[in-house]
Amino acid sequence: ILNVEQSPQSLHVQEGDSTNFTCSFPSSNFYALHWYRWETAKSPEALFVMTLNGDEKKKGRISATLNTKEGYSYLYIKGSQPEDSATYLCAFGSGSARQLTFGSGTQLTVLP
Amino acid sequence: NAGVTQTPKFQVLKTGQSMTLQCAQDMNHEYMSWYRQDPGMGLRLIHYSVGAGITDQGEVPNGYNVSRSTTEDFPLRLLSAAPSQTSVYFCASSPLIFTGRSYEQYFGPGTRLTVT
Repeated sequence: ILNVEQSPQSLHVQEGDSTNFTCSFPSSNFYALHWYRWETAKSPEALFVMTLNGDEKKKGRISATLNTKEGYSYLYIKGSQPEDSATYLCAFGSGSARQLTFGSGTQLTVLP
Repeated sequence: NAGVTQTPKFQVLKTGQSMTLQCAQDMNHEYMSWYRQDPGMGLRLIHYSVGAGITDQGEVPNGYNVSRSTTEDFPLRLLSAAPSQTSVYFCASSPLIFTGRSYEQYFGPGTRLTVT
């Protein structure tokens, strides 16, 4: 069983604050790292898929970086809005990446 | 496109009963998978399939069977339900993962199962 850890477990920020969370994964046999956004009562939706060390992805106010050598990825949200409130999941794919191992998520609450 | 659909949305079973959770996708995705989501544990892979006729076990396969007779459908069978199988079940699909690429997974709406 692969160990994928996310921190912090939960986070409360004020509207307008910028924030970031961490996903840690095994540094060996890396294939891919996914980030998903999961709103309450909905299904997870993909934000980013990263496969190369040093990858940086951006979608609007959300961006992510990847360091496969040290086994971590950061997700950044600039100028948080209440609609950003959700659980953010990362998922690690190793080897052929036919299996993704998910972290337990970071629950973000943005207070108006 | 309907995307990934799951039925039923809610189900209550008694211990020992069997049932099938249905999953279908209309995106012609080769890869399909089943996850269970339990509080504090994230999503855990139960079974997956890389195409019709091909299935394999994930992290937590015990107590579940799958089959893949068509590209579109990937049902999950609970053989003899136990309270430990109370969970929310998600089906997901993606284009087949091949060397050098990794594709995002598209998730269904989930089935909330309670076993009493």
